[in-house]
Amino acid sequence: DGGITQSPKYLFRKEGQNVTLSCEQNLNHDAMYWYRQDPGQGLRLIYYSQIVNDFQKGDIAEGYSVSREKKESFPLTVTSAQKNPTAFYLCASSAQGRKDYGYTFGSGTRLTVV
Amino acid sequence: GNSVTQMEGPVTLSEEAFLTINCTYTATGYPSLFWYVQYPGEGLQLLLKATKADDKGSNKGFEATYRKETTSFHLEKGSVQVSDSAVYFCALGRSEKLVFGKGTKLTVNP
Repeated sequence: DGGITQSPKYLFRKEGQNVTLSCEQNLNHDAMYWYRQDPGQGLRLIYYSQIVNDFQKGDIAEGYSVSREKKESFPLTVTSAQKNPTAFYLCASSAQGRKDYGYTFGSGTRLTVV
Repeated sequence: GNSVTQMEGPVTLSEEAFLTINCTYTATGYPSLFWYVQYPGEGLQLLLKATKADDKGSNKGFEATYRKETTSFHLEKGSVQVSDSAVYFCALGRSEKLVFGKGTKLTVNP
């Protein structure tokens, strides 16, 4: 079955460390997205990519970086510049140009700073 | 610009009660409308959608009708169950990129 896989499910980061969250999809979707969700809060867009080798900043890109070298993969790096990284991170994908399609989401990665 | 406004939660109901979660939108043109559900500790799942005016989306006993005249897409269920406890997000799509509401937390007590 097609879907999106996020790994790991739980991740712990020490102060000053960079960590990378994995997101892989086998839906043949062109567009991919990263969201951050804080407890009791909605979704905030970090980065998105509509095509390989191209990506755009979302609303809260500071302290994060991404790459899109393959259509299937869109990893997110949380850098040491992100001062409050503890949150639930969600990856999603969608079919390019399809406003009726919606997103398919992964199951999320919970990042905790220790 | 495009935006979605959902009723603020949390919403607490007893089992078998009627549920309405209000959602209104602002958009140019003819967006598609979606409801997503998020169970604790999980990602979002598509619950239902409607792609044009007067369409009704339905799934698992939930329904929502795309009302262009009132720019609304309210979520309803006639009889909620404890297992419906989750956060519900309304969203609109003018392209492949969605705009989400802030979410409404529903708790259903036995």
